[in-house]
Amino acid sequence: GAVVSQHPSRVICKSGTSVKIECRSLDFQATTMFWYRQFPKKSLMLMATSNEGSKATYEQGVEKDKFLINHASLTLSTLTVTSAHPEDSSFYICSAGVGETEAFFGQGTRLTVV
Amino acid sequence: GQNIDQPTEMTATEGAIVQINCTYQTSGFNGLFWYQQHAGEAPTFLSYNVLDGLEEKGRFSSFLSRSKGYSYLLLKELQMKDSASYLCAVRDSNYQLIWGAGTKLIIKP
Repeated sequence: GAVVSQHPSRVICKSGTSVKIECRSLDFQATTMFWYRQFPKKSLMLMATSNEGSKATYEQGVEKDKFLINHASLTLSTLTVTSAHPEDSSFYICSAGVGETEAFFGQGTRLTVV
Repeated sequence: GQNIDQPTEMTATEGAIVQINCTYQTSGFNGLFWYQQHAGEAPTFLSYNVLDGLEEKGRFSSFLSRSKGYSYLLLKELQMKDSASYLCAVRDSNYQLIWGAGTKLIIKP
């Protein structure tokens, strides 16, 4: 199946700093990628839809200036958590759609803000 | 509003069969997905149903009834490695995935 690579898998950062998470589609072109956040024992929460060459579409309640999304090419989308705080600590996952029947996920990024 | 319901946790015995149910109320329907997620890892795709009926794929099968807003995932010949969370997701009329909270499956020897 299609491969989506997400990096880094784990990151620890200090409060107030910014963290960039990359999501790459390795063997296909993804015009649309999705960014999710998942709290422990909770379901996936869609944060935003990343569209290649245009602005991302954010879900209600997600701060655009805090979670910056860039989708500059058909194989790369990035999520930057700016001025991170401990409450931003979470598991972040990206996915990319392939045709009608599937969305493959990256490996996820465990962010811990100390 | 949109809603996906599935049991929070289930326990089964190695070698047995388990059925995980999922009911949904969504704005439109464009397919239902089942994913497996091990702790600390991203979900992995298991199955996709868009028409009524049973889709079989090895030890795993998935069933859909659109009129009832109901699906189940059937796992046969359970193995210890099947211990994971199983997520049900429905794609709505806007082609957005609506996720259930997941069912944690515990396999006992």
